[in-house]
Amino acid sequence: QVELVQSGAEVKKPGASVKVSCKTSGYSFTGYHIHWVRQAPGQGLEWMGWVNPNGGGTHYTEQFQGRVTMTSDTSITTAYMELSSLRSDDTAVYYCARDQGYQLLFLEFWGQGTLVSVSS
Amino acid sequence: DIQMTQSPSSLSASVGDRVTITCRASQDISEYLAWFQQRPGKAPKSLIYLASSLQSGVPSRFSGSGYGTDFTLTINSLQPEDFATYYCQQYNFYPLTFGQGTRLEMK
Repeated sequence: QVELVQSGAEVKKPGASVKVSCKTSGYSFTGYHIHWVRQAPGQGLEWMGWVNPNGGGTHYTEQFQGRVTMTSDTSITTAYMELSSLRSDDTAVYYCARDQGYQLLFLEFWGQGTLVSVSS
Repeated sequence: DIQMTQSPSSLSASVGDRVTITCRASQDISEYLAWFQQRPGKAPKSLIYLASSLQSGVPSRFSGSGYGTDFTLTINSLQPEDFATYYCQQYNFYPLTFGQGTRLEMK
């Protein structure tokens, strides 16, 4: 069965960077994009972008351009999201999600989430 | 960006009730609309894609409809595990955008 397992919670200081991993299993890793979505405490869902493990192509929202880097390692079927220049309003749960494939961006399967706390 | 507006923001219902949540897009998104359920402290779970297609494993009491700008999620015969927050999301245009959520509470 399809599984996405994320790395553990992180505590960072303002200005630092964080890198969250998303280990996948149960499907062909290079056949589907991995998306990243975040949720600030008590707030709704915010889509950040995707990485295509088949070649490493990416698409980021304008809001995160220049601060986010999404990558993947096909040898260990793991995707990564690195966010730099962290601010207090980056405190959120970060989710990875696999889409439906064939250019269909429906977020079919989700990881369990990684809490990133930014505080001085 | 396409704005997704859900209504109501919250509603109270009882086990066995039928509830409907609506989602309106600020422009035509065709059928590229998904619904997600999120329980407290948990990741979102996909329910519906392409506006009306039920995700594998989701109970048939969940159904979706709509096209263009107006969509609905209906839950027939509410079960205790259905009390959660529900989000719609459009995936026709970048950036992908979510509604603000509808909190379904037990009366």
